[in-house]
Amino acid sequence: DAMVIQNPRYQVTQFGKPVTLSCSQTLNHNVMYWYQQKSSQAPKLLFHYYDKDFNNEADTPDNFQSRRPNTSFCFLDIRSPGLGDAAMYLCATSKGTSGRKRETQYFGPGTRLLVL
Amino acid sequence: DQQVKQNSPSLSVQEGRISILNCDYTNSMFDYFLWYKKYPAEGPTFLISISSIKDKNEDGRFTVFLNKSAKHLSLHIVPSQPGDSAVYFCAASGDNNNDMRFGAGTRLTVKP
Repeated sequence: DAMVIQNPRYQVTQFGKPVTLSCSQTLNHNVMYWYQQKSSQAPKLLFHYYDKDFNNEADTPDNFQSRRPNTSFCFLDIRSPGLGDAAMYLCATSKGTSGRKRETQYFGPGTRLLVL
Repeated sequence: DQQVKQNSPSLSVQEGRISILNCDYTNSMFDYFLWYKKYPAEGPTFLISISSIKDKNEDGRFTVFLNKSAKHLSLHIVPSQPGDSAVYFCAASGDNNNDMRFGAGTRLTVKP
């Protein structure tokens, strides 16, 4: 089945220690998104890639970076995790056609990050 | 700024009855609205959508109603089934998907 895969499902890191979360997709979609979701809050878009074009949300901290080496993979790098970065991180994709209007987003299961 | 609000964090209904989940938005530029459903340990999955040119969209047991003047939408599930127990997220977007904003979700529990 075509899908969005996130590994690992749980990630523990230390305060200030760089961490990378990964996302892969077999849907061959052009657009990949990273969301942060804190407990009982709405998923918040951090950034997205349209093909190789990177688009950062204005309020995404510089501590968060992303890489997309090819269509299938996208990484979220947190350079110096703080306690406030503990959250669920969701990766999503969409086709990226039709002017990107009204496209369904397909989500992975998420990686829960714990910062000690 | 929270542009999409789901004011009820949880809802409990009896099997066979109607479930009504509500969502309010503040941005008048939003013209496309979606509901996603999330089971534990899984990512949100698309359930149903509606564009602003309509006020109702129906798909089986699921119906979404849109009241543009009130900036309000609701999801009706009739009849509710125990398998519908999940967290439901409301989402809204404008010109393109990059504008999509989510609500905080409502946890629906359907009791047998």
